[in-house]
Amino acid sequence: LAKTTQPISMDSYEGQEVNITCSHNNIATNDYITWYQQFPSQGPRFIIQGYKTKVTNEVASLFIPADRKSSTLSLPRVSLSDTAVYYCLVGYTGTASKLTFGTGTRLQVTL
Amino acid sequence: NAGVTQTPKFQVLKTGQSMTLQCAQDMNHNSMYWYRQDPGMGLRLIYYSASEGTTDKGEVPNGYNVSRLNKREFSLRLESAAPSQTSVYFCASDSGKAKNIQYFGAGTRLSVL
Repeated sequence: LAKTTQPISMDSYEGQEVNITCSHNNIATNDYITWYQQFPSQGPRFIIQGYKTKVTNEVASLFIPADRKSSTLSLPRVSLSDTAVYYCLVGYTGTASKLTFGTGTRLQVTL
Repeated sequence: NAGVTQTPKFQVLKTGQSMTLQCAQDMNHNSMYWYRQDPGMGLRLIYYSASEGTTDKGEVPNGYNVSRLNKREFSLRLESAAPSQTSVYFCASDSGKAKNIQYFGAGTRLSVL
């Protein structure tokens, strides 16, 4: 399983763009990169997924360089409600993915 | 849509007691998972079931048993609870196909005294 490394915590002010980078040096050819968000006392929730280049949805953008050894989750103009823990996962897309959740990045957004 | 439903939401046990955590999904997913999350930590996989009738160990299976009762339901049993099993337990499911995305329940907060 590909191991991921991401910052333990980040702070931001409301309205700023936040970029969280995840390192996954031993990513395999079949692996996708998926980001989840977790609020206190809730289960993780899917944010975005990508394989290479750039992916954008209504919530975030995901940038993946050509070598795929890292990825960056970009949250545009964060608000207080974006305060959460963000997990970067790298996993095989076959039957039953044994994904590994690290400790994630704790994002604190303040006024 | 209910998604993934876990019961109970909270439970307090005494050391040595047994209990079963229930999980059901209504998304016709093939794969289901049980995780535990300790304070300030990420999720650790306990057991998973790739499809109905199959189960396999994850990272931290000791002290737990699972049953994939049918396609919808996946239960986690603690035969003899220990204080080290105090944690929040999450059930998740996914399609088991390419680009699978896991959907999580709200969690069961378990305290073992």
